[in-house]
Order: sequence, then C-alpha cells, then structure tokens
Amino acid sequence: DSGVTQTPKHLITATGQRVTLRCSPRSGDLSVYWYQQSLDQGLQFLIQYYNGEERAKGNILERFSAQQFPDLHSELNLSSLELGDSALYFCASSVGLGVTGELFFGEGSRLTVL
Amino acid sequence: AQKVTQAQTEISVVEKEDVTLDCVYETRDTTYYLFWYKQPPSGELVFLIRRNSFDEQNEISGRYSWNFQKSTSSFNFTITASQVVDSAVYFCALSGINTGTASKLTFGTGTRLQVTL
Repeated sequence: DSGVTQTPKHLITATGQRVTLRCSPRSGDLSVYWYQQSLDQGLQFLIQYYNGEERAKGNILERFSAQQFPDLHSELNLSSLELGDSALYFCASSVGLGVTGELFFGEGSRLTVL
Repeated sequence: AQKVTQAQTEISVVEKEDVTLDCVYETRDTTYYLFWYKQPPSGELVFLIRRNSFDEQNEISGRYSWNFQKSTSSFNFTITASQVVDSAVYFCALSGINTGTASKLTFGTGTRLQVTL
C-alpha cells in the first residue's frame, strides 16, 4: 500500500460527458502528480501541483483541468470526453517539489469512455 | 528533451532463468535520476529502485540487480532465478533537476516479462 488513495477505481461513461477523479496523497506529501496510461501513448505526465499551486504541465489537454485543495487532495476533471480518453489515470505524490526521490503511485482510476 | 528507450517489448522466460531488461536514456541534465517501476497485472505501479547520476555503483537487492553505466547511458535491470510472481510490465524512468525535467518522470514504453513454469 503506497498510501496514495484514488477514487473511483473504475468509471464507465459516455462520450461528451464530464468526470472527476480524486486523489488523496500520502500524509505529509505536498506534491501531487497526475499521469495518464493509455495503450497508444504509454505513461504520460499530465500535471503537477505543489501545496495548492500548479507547478508543471505536461501533455494535458485543454479539456482536462486539475486542482489541489487546502487539505492537499487533488481532483482531475475531464470534460467533453472522447473515446481516446479511455485510459488508466494515476495519481502520485512526493514530499518535495521535484522528482528526486521515490514517487508513490496510487492504484489508478480506470476510465472507459463508450 | 528527455527520452527513455526500452527496446524489448516482451520477454518470455522459464522459471529460474535469469533475465535482463534493458534501458537506455537520453538527457541534457548533468544531474538526473533513474528509476525502475513494476506494474503487475493488478495495475498499480510499484517502485523498485532510484539511482542518481553520480552514483554508478551497481546495486543488488535479493534477486534483483541493477547495472548503471553512464558511458553508455544505460540502466539495466537483472532478475536472477526468475519466478512466476515476477511476471509484470517493468518501466524504466528518468527525471532531472532543471525546469521542465524536475517535475516529472519520463517513462519508457515498458517491457512485459512473462515467467512460465
């Protein structure tokens, strides 16, 4: 158990819909990262938040947005969903700003868009 | 830009065989960090090891060992006496210390290891 909690574990929805994925980082970790794992793109970094502020952006679509709340949990919002958004979405956390130590990953949220 | 290449897409071995998973990386950072993660069929990503670019000592942890060679930009992972429970996808990853590289892991495409009886 990494200590990072993600909900829901599975989600099935239709094209055009909007979903919210939630992540609770390990106790004491200030950074939260979101990654997408799909068959064609592999594991890709989406976005990082540190102590409530956005710190880095990767290949995140404009239809996607995220935020980190004062209690440090984070939400990833995916809107106007397309079939290609079907993927496993991972949240990870770490103590500091950068990835110099172990990044602890949650079990992922599997999104299926029909 | 950073890049990690895992040329072996899939490897099949019989239990008790040794197997080496290759990882080659590219980075412009002078200080960087290399990682291996395991993704079993259940789907979670399990941390195995982290190495910084200044430490080229090989490391052994039980049946696992890692060979870091800066001269060839490689960070290979060997499993000795493989077991069925080692069946998983293994990812090599890289992070740096500069803007754009410090905040993310760049993953390779993974190597699927199948260990059979």
